[in-house]
Amino acid sequence: SQTIHQWPATLVQPVGSPLSLECTVEGTSNPNLYWYRQAAGRGLQLLFYSVGIGQISSEVPQNLSASRPQDRQFILSSKKLLLSDSGFYLCAWGGGATPLYSPLHFGNGTRLTVT
Amino acid sequence: KQEVTQIPAALSVPEGENLVLNCSFTDSAIYNLQWFRQDPGKGLTSLLLIQSSQREQTSGRLNASLDKSSGRSTLYIAASQPGDSATYLCAVRQTGGTSYGKLTFGQGTILTVHP
Repeated sequence: SQTIHQWPATLVQPVGSPLSLECTVEGTSNPNLYWYRQAAGRGLQLLFYSVGIGQISSEVPQNLSASRPQDRQFILSSKKLLLSDSGFYLCAWGGGATPLYSPLHFGNGTRLTVT
Repeated sequence: KQEVTQIPAALSVPEGENLVLNCSFTDSAIYNLQWFRQDPGKGLTSLLLIQSSQREQTSGRLNASLDKSSGRSTLYIAASQPGDSATYLCAVRQTGGTSYGKLTFGQGTILTVHP
């Protein structure tokens, strides 16, 4: 069966420090991968998605970037964190033979607090 | 622009009651609709996925219906239990625009089932 791992679970970082959040998927190949952010009262916002290694699309211009160095690995990064980057970050995967008709599966999320 | 609305925003019921959560969307050009459950501080757990050609899906005590033409879906929970307490989110995957099918989420319904 497929599983998705996200780490760390919680993170407290000072303003101006770098960020690296990692997500890996097991039990599937060539998944579509997504980074979402969930802020209080604002719902889920899609940040990045990737349909393959090295292929990243950004939904919202911001202080963050994403990379996909391996088929089942998705990384969210920042060179210098802002207070507004605080939130709950969720990685998700979807795909298979018919990605448009397949469900999306989420990891357990990373709670990021920028101080 | 697709907009997804969930009503009610919060619901509190006694254990054993049957209940209905509502989700409405403005653009009926969708591939499918997915219901999720989110426990506090956790990621999203997929409950049911209904394709646009389907009318309903069932899993255990959960039944989700879809009326694409009217832009509505309902999640029916039978014989509710305290363990059902969580936030329930619906999301529609719309056609057109992207190759991955963008998901638009509702704001969620916070369900509390008290003993």
